[in-house]
Amino acid sequence: KAGVTQTPRYLIKTRGQQVTLSCSPISGHRSVSWYQQTPGQGLQFLFEYFSETQRNKGNFPGRFSGRQFSNSRSEMNVSTLELGDSALYLCASSLEPGAGANVLTFGAGSRLTVL
Amino acid sequence: AQTVTQSQPEMSVQEAETVTLSCTYDTSESNYYLFWYKQPPSRQMILVIRQEAYKQQNATENRFSVNFQKAAKSFSLKISDSQLGDTAMYFCAFMKLGNNDMRFGAGTRLTVKP
Repeated sequence: KAGVTQTPRYLIKTRGQQVTLSCSPISGHRSVSWYQQTPGQGLQFLFEYFSETQRNKGNFPGRFSGRQFSNSRSEMNVSTLELGDSALYLCASSLEPGAGANVLTFGAGSRLTVL
Repeated sequence: AQTVTQSQPEMSVQEAETVTLSCTYDTSESNYYLFWYKQPPSRQMILVIRQEAYKQQNATENRFSVNFQKAAKSFSLKISDSQLGDTAMYFCAFMKLGNNDMRFGAGTRLTVKP
């Protein structure tokens, strides 16, 4: 069974550009969550999607957005990139949201560097 | 708001010995889940062990076990017979029922020495 797949694994952008990251969940998983990991702030929740609907959103500016498709694949977008957006972006999937026994399975992440 | 605190930024242990990683959390919720995740240098977050708050019995998973003290809001991880492959960042995490907004601690970098 394939795990959570994130693409691209690495990317470099310049300030002001935008970026789109993709996440394919484990087959059968319908909930996708996104996290940002930085040395300074640690792991922070971005948002969560289930059945193509955003269920929950963390404390991030509106430049951070996401969506989920009917096949449960998800994308997140960051517009007008800032240096502080440099981070590892992790995607996690689960069967359903919030049922803690449905453990979050993480992907390997997308490493974004903003120059 | 829920917060998770890991007070040990770095730890080391000799191969085959036992090590305990500490974690405390703060919440007003009564139903929640606690997790330990491992992130090796490859950076893939891997679930080590989980604990349902309503269960009094401490979770165990092979060489990994937890000491869950609900009243004290403490959730420590014990690794027995440490192996070189246990070298990684370990994150303690909290999740309340109802969503996948998982709150993480700052992490403990564990090094297993040969």
